[in-house]
Amino acid sequence: AQKITQTQPGMFVQEKEAVTLDCTYDTSDPSYGLFWYKQPSSGEMIFLIYQGSYDQQNATEGRYSLNFQKARKSANLVISASQLGDSAMYFCAMREDRAYDKVIFGPGTSLSVIP
Amino acid sequence: GAVVSQHPSWVICKSGTSVKIECRSLDFQATTMFWYRQFPKQSLMLMATSNEGSKATYEQGVEKDKFLINHASLTLSTLTVTSAHPEDSSFYICSAHYASGGFGEQFFGPGTRLTVL
Repeated sequence: AQKITQTQPGMFVQEKEAVTLDCTYDTSDPSYGLFWYKQPSSGEMIFLIYQGSYDQQNATEGRYSLNFQKARKSANLVISASQLGDSAMYFCAMREDRAYDKVIFGPGTSLSVIP
Repeated sequence: GAVVSQHPSWVICKSGTSVKIECRSLDFQATTMFWYRQFPKQSLMLMATSNEGSKATYEQGVEKDKFLINHASLTLSTLTVTSAHPEDSSFYICSAHYASGGFGEQFFGPGTRLTVL
């Protein structure tokens, strides 16, 4: 069964606008972590933001924030003030603490920022 | 942040040959490393978990005899694709588990692009 779902294969956003990338997950482990990674065309995986299942507040890192809705098992990434350099693939990922630190990835969303 | 390197960054080989890919954690020790495979326009698929000093744990559907993993030291894991065929052409990425980090994050290598002719 798919553990991570990203329903938006591709997204477009105007430069300087905000964009939300959706992610839902499925787990029965009460202790888990959620990650967002950016993968530009070069292929490198760039860590953006992390949210722990017990964290009370939504994570923020600069222009990135994570809208964590635990009951809905949702962890959407919000990018504010989009820049042309934000054009890339974005992956939502999850680590279940009982799964020995394995991280599994969602299918990804391709974001294109339009000037 | 912690740095993970991979070598080579790209390799082209003939069908039937074996290819070794190295993954090194440069400034930290990693008892656990992970190997992923990524086909074009697809996500990263976890192939195996590499544990220092013990056998690797393979994900379902991954042939352990074809993808040999060795984690001989706390800073080096190797993936050998044996008797490579064109369908093995892919982007292989390793990651190292940084246990001392606040949330035990993983750091990714830059990837190795394998093309089998």
